[in-house]
Amino acid sequence: AQKITQTQPGMFVQEKEAVTLDCTYDTSDPSYGLFWYKQPSSGEMIFLIYQGSYDQQNATEGRYSLNFQKARKSANLVISASQLGDSAMYFCAMREGRYNQGGKLIFGQGTELSVKP
Amino acid sequence: GAGVSQSPSNKVTEKGKDVELRCDPISGHTALYWYRQSLGQGLEFLIYFQGNSAPDKSGLPSDRFSAERTGGSVSTLTIQRTQQEDSAVYLCASSLATGLSGNTIYFGEGSWLTVV
Repeated sequence: AQKITQTQPGMFVQEKEAVTLDCTYDTSDPSYGLFWYKQPSSGEMIFLIYQGSYDQQNATEGRYSLNFQKARKSANLVISASQLGDSAMYFCAMREGRYNQGGKLIFGQGTELSVKP
Repeated sequence: GAGVSQSPSNKVTEKGKDVELRCDPISGHTALYWYRQSLGQGLEFLIYFQGNSAPDKSGLPSDRFSAERTGGSVSTLTIQRTQQEDSAVYLCASSLATGLSGNTIYFGEGSWLTVV
């Protein structure tokens, strides 16, 4: 069974500094995808970044990058140059199966990030 | 609209009543998901539909919960004989099933259910 673990319930970071949010996963399927979502206090789920298990390079999207360490089964999110608007809940999620076959998406418990001015 | 649409946005119901929550996915999206999120908690997977395949119901917490998807588009999540512990936000999401863009899963704004 697939499993996602986020061990940091809460994190603080100074504005303009970088922060790493941890995520480890467990799956027996060689094909899977890893996602990060941001959920501000408004409640909407905002897609940030995706990494496929067969992708050769770490995914990047603007200030977001995913530090994918396949052997360690970790997919940490790095946010560079933190902004006050980055304060939110962040969820790591995993979906088994190749990208063209879909599959249920399982979420971790989340990390609440607070950016201090 | 262009996004995932959920209704009602808010629902207050009495314990023991049945409720129906509706999700209208993005046009053309063949995959549809339902999640439950209690206050301050993570997203709990409920059910997943993919095209004409049998849905993955492994996350439904009890037989009071059911969902259907008619015509491969709109989905309805039904909770029978609601209990106070059913109070939560129910989130629906959809995605394409093919291509790189299929890896992006879009969420609706949720239906806030309160059972009193």
